[in-house]
Amino acid sequence: DAKTTQPNSMESNEEEPVHLPCNHSTISGTDYIHWYRQLPSQGPEYVIHGLTSNVNNRMASLAIAEDRKSSTLILHRATLRDAAVYYCILRGMTTDSWGKLQFGAGTQVVVTP
Amino acid sequence: DTEVTQTPKHLVMGMTNKKSLKCEQHMGHRAMYWYKQKAKKPPELMFVYSYEKLSINESVPSRFSPECPNSSLLNLHLHALQPEDSALYLCASSQRPDFPSGNTIYFGEGSWLTVV
Repeated sequence: DAKTTQPNSMESNEEEPVHLPCNHSTISGTDYIHWYRQLPSQGPEYVIHGLTSNVNNRMASLAIAEDRKSSTLILHRATLRDAAVYYCILRGMTTDSWGKLQFGAGTQVVVTP
Repeated sequence: DTEVTQTPKHLVMGMTNKKSLKCEQHMGHRAMYWYKQKAKKPPELMFVYSYEKLSINESVPSRFSPECPNSSLLNLHLHALQPEDSALYLCASSQRPDFPSGNTIYFGEGSWLTVV
């Protein structure tokens, strides 16, 4: 299974942007890049996903490198409610791999008022 | 309704007990999942059901027995557990497995299990 590497933690001031990097140098052509986050005492929550092009939604933006070996999740204006563990996950879409959303260690985001 | 409901929220059981965790979704999803999460660790995949059939078992011990009685329900039957099985058990669901790639997985809030 393709693996991801993320920093253990990142700190940001409230109302500032947060850039969360993820390295996935062994990504395959059929792997989608997914981001989930987990707030304290809750189940993981979908944030965004992409394949090759940059993606935007109401929660965040996803910037994908041209070679797809890395990506960056961008929270445009961090709030205290964004304090969570953010997981970058590769999700294969072959018959054998579609069901395996496998989490790495994630990045703990701390937001300071 | 984008909700996955898990019951009970908390469960304490002895090592000789038999108990079950329940999960329900009404989003018409045909893939359902069980994950296990230890404190300060990422979730670990246990089982995946596709169209009510078990499609992935990540070498989980037989003291954990999943069941998918219909497309909306997923159970996890627990028997003869060990204290190290104490964890948060997360249920999740997603659209048809053959749906266009990248479909979202929705998670419940989990059931906290303590084995004594």
